[in-house]
Amino acid sequence: DAGITQSPRHKVTETGTPVTLRCHQTENHRYMYWYRQDPGHGLRLIHYSYGVKDTDKGEVSDGYSVSRSKTEDFLLTLESATSSQTSVYFCAIRGTSGTRITGELFFGEGSRLTVL
Amino acid sequence: GDSVTQMEGPVTLSEEAFLTINCTYTATGYPSLFWYVQYPGEGLQLLLKATKADDKGSNKGFEATYRKETTSFHLEKGSVQVSDSAVYFCALSGFTGNQFYFGTGTSLTVIP
Repeated sequence: DAGITQSPRHKVTETGTPVTLRCHQTENHRYMYWYRQDPGHGLRLIHYSYGVKDTDKGEVSDGYSVSRSKTEDFLLTLESATSSQTSVYFCAIRGTSGTRITGELFFGEGSRLTVL
Repeated sequence: GDSVTQMEGPVTLSEEAFLTINCTYTATGYPSLFWYVQYPGEGLQLLLKATKADDKGSNKGFEATYRKETTSFHLEKGSVQVSDSAVYFCALSGFTGNQFYFGTGTSLTVIP
């Protein structure tokens, strides 16, 4: 258990409204990621963070912003949600062994977002 | 750029059948390779991994061998169970280390 909690787990919203998804981790991991999962596309990286206030874009970052003001929380914001952003969103952290960053990712349970 | 291609699904097998899910990759340098499993309504869980050529990852009866000469990391299990029904993802962590690349997933259904 990597101590990752996503909230909310389910959300239905309307087009044009802002939405924020939260990822919370309890083990002080440096690297955190946001992915979206859609049928036929697998997982696609939206944004990632390599430390407090350090973030970078992934392959599908348009329409999304992120913030990381403290180590344990990584927020994903849809400023104005669109129907194409209906998806399941997964947060992940990079594994560590002592002070060494290992290769694997550990995932949260996911947040299912429906934009009507 | 780096990428992963995995076998299209869905795959349906009878209980105790042999499973192979093919995965090939394109990468510069020496990536690490992974198989993840996703059960309905859950997040992805790491199933096994291999970090260098000829390494064999294994877990819960599943195995995969990192083959550099064929750029492959095929997932195998000798005798599947109904509880193995899930979606399986092949993934690689590239040489630059901070990006992961996932295949599109292969859905497996095991029938009694």
